[in-house]
Order: sequence, then C-alpha cells, then structure tokens
Amino acid sequence: ETGVTQTPRHLVMGMTNKKSLKCEQHLGHNAMYWYKQSAKKPLELMFVYNFKEQTENNSVPSRFSPECPNSSHLFLHLHTLQPEDSALYLCASSQLPGSLQETQYFGPGTRLLVL
Amino acid sequence: QKEVEQNSGPLSVPEGAIASLNCTYSDRVSQSFFWYRQYSGKSPELIMSIYSNGDKEDGRFTAQLNKASQYVSLLIRDSQPSDSATYLCAVGVDSGGGADGLTFGKGTHLIIQP
Repeated sequence: ETGVTQTPRHLVMGMTNKKSLKCEQHLGHNAMYWYKQSAKKPLELMFVYNFKEQTENNSVPSRFSPECPNSSHLFLHLHTLQPEDSALYLCASSQLPGSLQETQYFGPGTRLLVL
Repeated sequence: QKEVEQNSGPLSVPEGAIASLNCTYSDRVSQSFFWYRQYSGKSPELIMSIYSNGDKEDGRFTAQLNKASQYVSLLIRDSQPSDSATYLCAVGVDSGGGADGLTFGKGTHLIIQP
C-alpha cells in the first residue's frame, strides 16, 4: 500500500467547492489510473495515463478533470460536484502499460463526501 | 460492453474448508485476469493473476482459468478468519501499445466462520 499514496484520505466538500485529489506512486511505474468505487457498484475506471499522456477517458463528466504532470504524480481536480459523486476514489499504477503482464497496484483511496 | 459477473454473496465457509469464488466475463478477447482482496474500508490488494488456461497455485490460493467457457475462479484452501473480505475479479484486454484499465466485477463477500 505504501507504494502508491493518496491525499487526502477523507474529504468533505460542498457542491460549489473546488478541490483536488493527489496520487503519487513510488514504484517507477509508467501508467496511472483513476477509479471510482461506489457502494453496491463495481469499481469504475475513470481515466488512464500512459507515460503522462491520457489514453482513456471513460465518459466521465467534465466536473472531474485529471492532470498528470509526470509519471509519478496524478491529480483529480473536482468542481461543482453532485451528491451522487460521493464515493471512494482509487488511484492505481502499473509498470508495463499495454503488456499482458500489466498488474495494477492501488493506493489507499480518498473517501469523498459531497454535501 | 465489457461485463464481469460475480455472485455478491455473502459466501459463508467454515474455517479450514475450501472457499470457491467464481467469475464470468463477457469479452472474449480478454487476456489477463486478476483476483483482488478488499477488506472493508481498504483498497484492493492483488492476490493472484492468471493469463493462460489451467490452474495457477500460490500458497493456499489457486486460480483457475477456462477461456472457452469465459470463466475464472479462485480457490482458497484451509480458509482462515483473516480471509474474510470482498474478493474482486478483474479482467484486462491488451488493446495493443497502451495502458488499459481493468474491468471489475462487483465482488463476492466471503465470510470464514471460526
């Protein structure tokens, strides 16, 4: 778990706030991912970055804006969220993007509550 | 649309018995398969990965893959109370050249009864 860190671990925000989630991986990986985990639903892939380039945006609303300044850092900028956006947001990284051996390692997550 | 199906449970197994977790997937070109364990309030932790048909064993865990039936399973031998968790099945597709996210099932809640 310490290979991928996320901050903050918990976040409460109003619908008019702007906040950012941060993820950092210390594993030397080349790909990073954002997932959303809501109650009673499977983990949902949001964004994929491969060598700092966004390669997948899984039809995510524009109120979620990712940023990947380098291969070790990933941000998720949040603005004008809705209560249904309350969930656990998980960051993951992998070493061999596009490889059959691509194993993703998860951070501890940020528990987000939108009021 | 890619889908991964798991029985949500709870699956209750006596301590010391074998726990059997099952998963089916819809995308025939899926090539990589993972089992993650997730304790309540924690993030998923990789347990096993499998890429070829057949069995793969690692300690008390055995993953089984049958691509023809689009079926993957996880067996846990000598189940311990610490194995109580939600087990997530995840499937990956190698689209060629780039990183791909995984498609997850909803998970099976496993309870090991002391």
